[in-house]
Amino acid sequence: AQSVAQPEDQVNVAEGNPLTVKCTYSVSGNPYLFWYVQYPNRGLQFLLKYITGDNLVKGSYGFEAEFNKSQTSFHLKKPSALVSDSALYFCAVRDTADYKLSFGAGTTVTVRA
Amino acid sequence: ETGVTQTPRHLVMGMTNKKSLKCEQHLGHNAMYWYKQSAKKPLELMFVYNFKEQTENNSVPSRFSPECPNSSHLFLHLHTLQPEDSALYLCASSQTTSASSYNEQFFGPGTRLTVL
Repeated sequence: AQSVAQPEDQVNVAEGNPLTVKCTYSVSGNPYLFWYVQYPNRGLQFLLKYITGDNLVKGSYGFEAEFNKSQTSFHLKKPSALVSDSALYFCAVRDTADYKLSFGAGTTVTVRA
Repeated sequence: ETGVTQTPRHLVMGMTNKKSLKCEQHLGHNAMYWYKQSAKKPLELMFVYNFKEQTENNSVPSRFSPECPNSSHLFLHLHTLQPEDSALYLCASSQTTSASSYNEQFFGPGTRLTVL
């Protein structure tokens, strides 16, 4: 069984400040981890993924995420948030032996000017 | 754009209506997926097709009926829905249903369904 928890429904930050969106996961084997972003009236857009190797993964739009195996976490970060980063963010996991993704419930990010 | 299109983008239907959602992918993929997205809940996988064959039905009520005539097109036929079926329905595609690390899912923009 696999699952994802996004403990915060909402994250609010001021423009220019660091942004962190938290994600913890559970899989029976080894994980592939993903972050997706959803803007209003749009589908999910892929941001980045962890497959193997370096624990710090860099993705689109200046986002990065750090894989921490001991804490089973994959937090999304951006050093300096923009108003245009305001959106719904989903963390997802799949076991390396499966193709099916399990998603978290999503975190709404609001960046104020 | 992700290469996955969905029509219509918005749909309002009564509980006795019959309607269909359409998904088309232009990525040359062989696997297609239907997900249901409800507010503040994880995406729910509904159906999976691989090379036109259904490989997953995640205990979805029979009032939802999928159809995959070819690897590029996926339909979701709707009949006698309930108000709690109101949600955003997302289509996705991937190369196959392989566990390969390169097998990523690409999502369409979704159909916002409202059942009155």
